[in-house]
Amino acid sequence: QQQVKQSPQSLIVQKGGISIINCAYENTAFDYFPWYQQFPGKGPALLIAIRPDVSEKKEGRFTISFNKSAKQFSLHIMDSQPGDSATYFCAASMRGAGSYQLTFGKGTKLSVIP
Amino acid sequence: DADVTQTPRNRITKTGKRIMLECSQTKGHDRMYWYRQDPGLGLRLIYYSFDVKDINKGEISDGYSVSRQAQAKFSLSLESAIPNQTALYFCATQRGWGNNEQFFGPGTRLTVL
Repeated sequence: QQQVKQSPQSLIVQKGGISIINCAYENTAFDYFPWYQQFPGKGPALLIAIRPDVSEKKEGRFTISFNKSAKQFSLHIMDSQPGDSATYFCAASMRGAGSYQLTFGKGTKLSVIP
Repeated sequence: DADVTQTPRNRITKTGKRIMLECSQTKGHDRMYWYRQDPGLGLRLIYYSFDVKDINKGEISDGYSVSRQAQAKFSLSLESAIPNQTALYFCATQRGWGNNEQFFGPGTRLTVL
């Protein structure tokens, strides 16, 4: 069964700190790994995504680290701000007939306290 | 204007009632998806469609049906709603090639009493 396991379920970080959320996957056919950010009352929105041909991708304060051999990837939020407080979902998908579906992790609720 | 809209945004209904949730998009995307979100369970795929003539079951399709009326419209129906279908429902769209971003609507909060 396709699965993406995400941890922790919740995370409290002080303003200015580093938030780290981890995900692990099982299916080696996955070739696209996005992170989605969801604010209360809103739909998820793409934050950053990586493909397995690179080990790291950075966009502003957000970085994905990808370890293909360990089948793990993580989101790092540098200099975390109260405005980053949201639920974060990792996901994975693969190409091919009937694919491109996203398999989501169960989410991490991040609270950044002043 | 929102690119992906969902109606209604909130709905309370009773067990056994038929319910339709509607999704419309102006992004011109071929692929459309219906997800269900429950606390602690993340987003789970109910149905997806890659074009008007293509409908596929997702992980949790039992108790649901869909209709792709046009490229821009994808409806989700609960033929006979039950309380454990109380959840937040999201529609999403995606352009029609490769692995790429899905764009989510604002969601419909459904409560089945």
